[in-house]
Amino acid sequence: EADIYQTPRYLVIGTGKKITLECSQTMGHDKMYWYQQDPGMELHLIHYSYGVNSTEKGDLSSESTVSRIRTEHFPLTLESARPSHTSQYLCASSDRVNEKLFFGSGTQLSVL
Amino acid sequence: AQSVTQLGSHVSVSEGALVLLRCNYSSSVPPYLFWYVQYPNQGLQLLLKYTSAATLVKGINGFEAEFKKSETSFHLTKPSAHMSDAAEYFCAVSDRGNTGKLIFGQGTTLQVKP
Repeated sequence: EADIYQTPRYLVIGTGKKITLECSQTMGHDKMYWYQQDPGMELHLIHYSYGVNSTEKGDLSSESTVSRIRTEHFPLTLESARPSHTSQYLCASSDRVNEKLFFGSGTQLSVL
Repeated sequence: AQSVTQLGSHVSVSEGALVLLRCNYSSSVPPYLFWYVQYPNQGLQLLLKYTSAATLVKGINGFEAEFKKSETSFHLTKPSAHMSDAAEYFCAVSDRGNTGKLIFGQGTTLQVKP
């Protein structure tokens, strides 16, 4: 069973607030990813990291930022949330040898 | 650039009937191909993947998919649908140099009727 955790599971917040979505994995994976998913739409990669102190932007432009200070932790931050940020955010990880991705359960973000 | 197209955003089958979920890809290099499933309120789970070995790939829960280069397709099938198969299914493609960067299709919702 995958050991990758996302919190919170649901978040409803007002416009302008700063939020951080947490993602942690206990598998020692080097690679971690953030995907954004709107209802009925495909997943889009917004950030990824290949190891500590490594972060890159994904294919979909996002106003969020990420950090990778520890292998197991890959938080995503929105400095000032807006209604357009309302979406589901999925975190994933994989190791360097086996390309299998493990996904967290996601954070459903609603910005009012 | 790579892309994935899933034909049909909703598929409805009767329990015991054949499941066929369609996926076509576009890639300038030989791809890796994946099918993921997302059950309600859960994260994505890998069903199966194609990485250039046998073209017919068997996955979990009785699902399989066949890579057809001539048709640029990777359709997902299951001979007999079960109620527990009701979920959202995503096809994804990546290039062989970076399998973590997946390009996903928009998903197909599978409904299984009793």
